[in-house]
Amino acid sequence: DIQMTQSPSSLSASVGDRVTITCRASQSIGFYLNWYQQKPGKAPKLLIYAASSLQSGVPSRFSGTGSGTDFTLTISSLQLEDFATYSCQQSYSYPLTFGGGTKVESK
Amino acid sequence: QVQLVQSGAEVKKPGASVKVSCKASGYTFISSHIMHWVRQAPGQRLEWMGWINADNGNTKYSQKFQGRVTITRDTSASTAYMELSSLRSEDTAVYYCARPVVPATVRVGFDPWGQGTLVTVSS
Repeated sequence: DIQMTQSPSSLSASVGDRVTITCRASQSIGFYLNWYQQKPGKAPKLLIYAASSLQSGVPSRFSGTGSGTDFTLTISSLQLEDFATYSCQQSYSYPLTFGGGTKVESK
Repeated sequence: QVQLVQSGAEVKKPGASVKVSCKASGYTFISSHIMHWVRQAPGQRLEWMGWINADNGNTKYSQKFQGRVTITRDTSASTAYMELSSLRSEDTAVYYCARPVVPATVRVGFDPWGQGTLVTVSS
Protein backbone atom coordinates (compact mmCIF):
# COMPACT_ATOMS: atom_id res chain seq x y z
CA ASP A 1 0.00 0.00 0.00
CA ILE A 2 1.13 3.56 -0.66
CA GLN A 3 1.62 5.46 2.59
CA MET A 4 0.68 9.14 2.62
CA THR A 5 2.45 11.28 5.20
CA GLN A 6 1.37 14.84 5.90
CA SER A 7 3.25 17.55 7.73
CA PRO A 8 2.72 19.23 9.99
CA SER A 9 -0.04 17.34 11.79
CA SER A 10 -1.29 20.65 13.12
CA LEU A 11 -0.46 24.33 12.83
CA SER A 12 -1.58 27.62 14.31
CA ALA A 13 -2.17 30.57 12.02
CA SER A 14 -3.95 33.89 11.82
CA VAL A 15 -6.38 35.30 9.30
CA GLY A 16 -4.38 36.61 6.37
CA ASP A 17 -1.46 34.23 6.85
CA ARG A 18 -0.03 32.15 4.05
CA VAL A 19 -0.34 28.49 4.98
CA THR A 20 1.54 25.58 3.42
CA ILE A 21 0.83 21.90 4.03
CA THR A 22 2.92 19.11 2.59
CA CYS A 23 2.08 15.55 1.66
CA ARG A 24 4.61 12.87 0.83
CA ALA A 25 3.86 9.55 -0.85
CA SER A 26 5.89 6.43 -0.08
CA GLN A 27 6.35 5.89 -3.84
CA SER A 28 5.81 7.90 -6.97
CA ILE A 29 2.17 8.62 -7.73
CA GLY A 30 2.58 10.97 -10.67
CA PHE A 31 -0.07 13.67 -10.45
CA TYR A 32 -2.70 11.43 -8.82
CA LEU A 33 -3.02 13.49 -5.66
CA ASN A 34 -6.14 15.12 -4.24
CA TRP A 35 -6.71 17.52 -1.35
CA TYR A 36 -9.74 17.75 0.92
CA GLN A 37 -10.97 20.10 3.61
CA GLN A 38 -13.01 18.67 6.47
CA LYS A 39 -14.81 20.42 9.29
CA PRO A 40 -16.00 18.65 12.46
CA GLY A 41 -19.03 16.47 11.88
CA LYS A 42 -19.02 17.13 8.13
CA ALA A 43 -18.06 15.19 5.05
CA PRO A 44 -14.78 16.04 3.33
CA LYS A 45 -14.89 18.66 0.60
CA LEU A 46 -12.69 18.33 -2.47
CA LEU A 47 -10.41 21.33 -2.99
CA ILE A 48 -7.79 20.18 -5.49
CA TYR A 49 -7.59 17.12 -7.74
CA ALA A 50 -4.86 15.82 -10.01
CA ALA A 51 -2.33 17.68 -7.86
CA SER A 52 -3.16 21.18 -9.11
CA SER A 53 -6.66 21.36 -10.59
CA LEU A 54 -8.93 23.61 -8.56
CA GLN A 55 -12.35 22.07 -8.00
CA SER A 56 -15.25 24.18 -9.24
CA GLY A 57 -16.46 26.65 -6.63
CA VAL A 58 -13.30 26.50 -4.52
CA PRO A 59 -11.73 29.92 -3.86
CA SER A 60 -8.59 30.71 -5.82
CA ARG A 61 -6.61 31.27 -2.59
CA PHE A 62 -6.25 27.47 -2.54
CA SER A 63 -3.59 25.98 -4.80
CA GLY A 64 -1.78 22.69 -5.17
CA THR A 65 1.60 21.80 -6.59
CA GLY A 66 3.87 18.81 -6.87
CA SER A 67 4.36 15.51 -8.63
CA GLY A 68 5.95 12.16 -7.97
CA THR A 69 6.23 11.87 -4.21
CA ASP A 70 6.07 15.43 -2.87
CA PHE A 71 3.04 17.68 -2.92
CA THR A 72 1.98 20.97 -1.38
CA LEU A 73 -1.32 22.64 -0.61
CA THR A 74 -1.11 26.39 -0.16
CA ILE A 75 -3.69 28.80 1.19
CA SER A 76 -2.47 32.20 0.07
CA SER A 77 -4.41 34.27 2.61
CA LEU A 78 -6.13 32.32 5.36
CA GLN A 79 -9.77 33.21 5.95
CA LEU A 80 -11.96 32.53 8.98
CA GLU A 81 -13.79 29.74 7.17
CA ASP A 82 -10.54 27.96 6.36
CA PHE A 83 -9.90 26.73 9.90
CA ALA A 84 -10.38 23.01 9.37
CA THR A 85 -8.51 19.75 8.81
CA TYR A 86 -6.88 19.13 5.44
CA SER A 87 -6.15 15.68 4.05
CA CYS A 88 -4.38 14.43 0.96
CA GLN A 89 -5.32 11.29 -0.96
CA GLN A 90 -3.56 9.30 -3.64
CA SER A 91 -5.64 7.90 -6.47
CA TYR A 92 -2.75 6.22 -8.28
CA SER A 93 -3.10 2.67 -7.07
CA TYR A 94 -5.24 0.42 -4.92
CA PRO A 95 -6.00 0.66 -2.14
CA LEU A 96 -6.62 4.39 -2.45
CA THR A 97 -5.09 5.92 0.66
CA PHE A 98 -5.34 9.15 2.62
CA GLY A 99 -2.93 11.16 4.68
CA GLY A 100 -3.38 11.57 8.40
CA GLY A 101 -4.60 15.15 8.15
CA THR A 102 -3.33 18.60 9.08
CA LYS A 103 -5.44 20.60 11.51
CA VAL A 104 -5.29 24.35 10.93
CA GLU A 105 -6.13 26.17 14.14
CA SER A 106 -6.43 29.79 15.13
CA LYS A 107 -3.33 31.30 16.70
CA GLN B 1 -27.53 19.71 -8.16
CA VAL B 2 -25.75 16.42 -7.64
CA GLN B 3 -26.59 15.08 -4.19
CA LEU B 4 -25.93 11.89 -2.26
CA VAL B 5 -28.22 11.17 0.69
CA GLN B 6 -27.34 8.33 3.03
CA SER B 7 -29.41 6.30 5.45
CA GLY B 8 -29.47 7.01 9.16
CA ALA B 9 -27.26 6.00 12.04
CA GLU B 10 -27.07 2.36 13.08
CA VAL B 11 -26.16 0.56 16.29
CA LYS B 12 -25.10 -3.04 15.87
CA LYS B 13 -23.77 -5.83 18.07
CA PRO B 14 -20.44 -7.50 17.37
CA GLY B 15 -20.78 -10.19 14.74
CA ALA B 16 -23.78 -8.57 13.08
CA SER B 17 -23.97 -6.98 9.63
CA VAL B 18 -24.92 -3.47 8.60
CA LYS B 19 -26.18 -2.17 5.27
CA VAL B 20 -25.89 1.53 4.48
CA SER B 21 -27.64 3.11 1.53
CA CYS B 22 -26.70 6.09 -0.62
CA LYS B 23 -29.36 7.64 -2.86
CA ALA B 24 -28.12 9.73 -5.75
CA SER B 25 -29.96 12.58 -7.39
CA GLY B 26 -29.18 15.34 -9.85
CA TYR B 27 -27.41 13.13 -12.39
CA THR B 28 -27.93 9.92 -14.37
CA PHE B 29 -26.96 7.22 -11.91
CA ILE B 30 -26.00 4.53 -14.41
CA SER B 31 -23.97 6.67 -16.81
CA SER B 32 -20.86 4.68 -16.00
CA HIS B 33 -20.64 6.41 -12.69
CA ILE B 34 -18.47 4.97 -10.03
CA MET B 35 -19.59 5.16 -6.40
CA HIS B 36 -16.93 4.89 -3.74
CA TRP B 37 -17.31 4.03 -0.08
CA VAL B 38 -14.97 5.52 2.51
CA ARG B 39 -15.03 5.30 6.28
CA GLN B 40 -13.56 7.32 9.12
CA ALA B 41 -13.18 5.91 12.62
CA PRO B 42 -13.13 8.41 15.49
CA GLY B 43 -9.95 10.47 15.36
CA GLN B 44 -8.58 8.40 12.49
CA ARG B 45 -7.76 9.07 8.88
CA LEU B 46 -10.16 8.42 6.04
CA GLU B 47 -10.07 4.85 4.77
CA TRP B 48 -11.17 3.75 1.30
CA MET B 49 -13.27 0.58 1.21
CA GLY B 50 -14.19 0.04 -2.41
CA TRP B 51 -16.27 1.13 -5.38
CA ILE B 52 -19.04 -0.05 -7.66
CA ASN B 53 -19.70 0.78 -11.28
CA ALA B 54 -23.36 1.75 -11.23
CA ASP B 55 -23.73 0.82 -14.89
CA ASN B 56 -22.50 -2.77 -14.94
CA GLY B 57 -22.27 -3.61 -11.25
CA ASN B 58 -18.54 -4.30 -11.32
CA THR B 59 -16.84 -3.82 -7.97
CA LYS B 60 -13.37 -3.22 -6.58
CA TYR B 61 -12.65 -3.71 -2.88
CA SER B 62 -9.80 -2.86 -0.60
CA GLN B 63 -7.98 -6.03 0.35
CA LYS B 64 -8.47 -5.07 3.99
CA PHE B 65 -12.22 -5.52 3.69
CA GLN B 66 -12.30 -8.30 1.08
CA GLY B 67 -14.68 -10.99 2.22
CA ARG B 68 -16.51 -8.73 4.66
CA VAL B 69 -17.76 -5.92 2.43
CA THR B 70 -20.30 -6.09 -0.37
CA ILE B 71 -21.19 -3.07 -2.47
CA THR B 72 -24.32 -3.29 -4.60
CA ARG B 73 -26.65 -0.97 -6.41
CA ASP B 74 -30.29 -0.67 -7.42
CA THR B 75 -30.36 1.29 -10.66
CA SER B 76 -34.13 1.72 -10.56
CA ALA B 77 -33.75 3.52 -7.23
CA SER B 78 -30.50 5.32 -8.10
CA THR B 79 -29.12 3.91 -4.87
CA ALA B 80 -25.86 2.26 -3.90
CA TYR B 81 -25.45 0.06 -0.86
CA MET B 82 -22.53 -0.97 1.31
CA GLU B 83 -22.90 -4.00 3.52
CA LEU B 84 -20.25 -4.85 6.09
CA SER B 85 -20.45 -8.17 7.92
CA SER B 86 -18.87 -9.74 11.01
CA LEU B 87 -18.80 -6.36 12.68
CA ARG B 88 -16.36 -5.66 15.49
CA SER B 89 -15.82 -2.65 17.71
CA GLU B 90 -13.08 -1.37 15.40
CA ASP B 91 -15.70 -0.93 12.67
CA THR B 92 -17.31 1.89 14.64
CA ALA B 93 -16.99 4.76 12.19
CA VAL B 94 -18.75 7.21 9.94
CA TYR B 95 -19.29 5.64 6.54
CA TYR B 96 -19.46 7.84 3.45
CA CYS B 97 -20.38 7.32 -0.16
CA ALA B 98 -18.71 9.58 -2.69
CA ARG B 99 -18.69 10.06 -6.45
CA PRO B 100 -15.63 10.80 -8.60
CA VAL B 101 -15.38 14.44 -9.58
CA VAL B 102 -14.90 13.36 -13.20
CA PRO B 103 -17.70 10.96 -14.27
CA ALA B 104 -16.73 7.37 -14.93
CA THR B 105 -13.16 8.01 -13.83
CA VAL B 106 -11.65 6.15 -10.91
CA ARG B 107 -8.32 7.91 -10.50
CA VAL B 108 -9.58 11.32 -9.46
CA GLY B 109 -10.80 12.97 -6.30
CA PHE B 110 -14.26 12.53 -4.83
CA ASP B 111 -17.01 15.09 -5.08
CA PRO B 112 -19.70 15.15 -3.90
CA TRP B 113 -19.86 13.06 -0.74
CA GLY B 114 -22.86 11.81 1.16
CA GLN B 115 -23.51 13.30 4.57
CA GLY B 116 -22.13 10.22 6.32
CA THR B 117 -23.71 7.42 8.35
CA LEU B 118 -22.50 6.67 11.86
CA VAL B 119 -22.27 2.96 12.55
CA THR B 120 -21.66 2.06 16.18
CA VAL B 121 -20.66 -1.48 17.07
CA SER B 122 -21.19 -2.22 20.73
CA SER B 123 -22.31 -5.09 22.87
